[in-house]
Amino acid sequence: ETGVTQTPRHLVMGMTNKKSLKCEQHLGHNAMYWYKQSAKKPLELMFVYSLEERVENNSVPSRFSPECPNSSHLFLHLHTLQPEDSALYLCASSQSGGGYGYTFGSGTRLTVV
Amino acid sequence: GIQVEQSPPDLILQEGANSTLRCNFSDSVNNLQWFHQNPWGQLINLFYIPSGTKQNGRLSATTVATERYSLLYISSSQTTDSGVYFCAVERGGSNYKLTFGKGTLLTVNP
Repeated sequence: ETGVTQTPRHLVMGMTNKKSLKCEQHLGHNAMYWYKQSAKKPLELMFVYSLEERVENNSVPSRFSPECPNSSHLFLHLHTLQPEDSALYLCASSQSGGGYGYTFGSGTRLTVV
Repeated sequence: GIQVEQSPPDLILQEGANSTLRCNFSDSVNNLQWFHQNPWGQLINLFYIPSGTKQNGRLSATTVATERYSLLYISSSQTTDSGVYFCAVERGGSNYKLTFGKGTLLTVNP
């Protein structure tokens, strides 16, 4: 385990479904992130939470809804997704001012059918 | 925003060969990391190296912050080194914005 755990590892959902991705960090970090990795594209930052407050929303469609109930947990709620939303969704955490960089989870591979 | 360019985009090696991957960035940074993405998608942190030189086994990295580039060296490559190597930077004063390059796809053949 890397210290950042994501579940599920794989998810197939229909366009009318509602599902949630979960991320948990065991590193005592104070910031958590959602990134999206699509085929042939660089990783894209979606959301940032610092001290449980959202500090960045990178023009993400409203069908993606993040939630950060505490500094260790981060969720990404999904509803009415499109096939082009199929991608690898990666969670990360960091400690601002910590000087150790970001730690990533193993990702959730999402397929929208 | 800050630009991150990695080269080469693809690299094919025979097992045992050495290689150098390069990352150029367009602005001063307070964070630079090298990651290896394995076939299952996980990003493994190789180095946190905003400046200077570090070594970890067969891997080493050097960042020359004043000239805005970083190099990742892989010596005596093994098939398990295959995968995509990403450079990612965070610009000074822009907390929480780690920008990734497009990566170098490394294939090590036995």
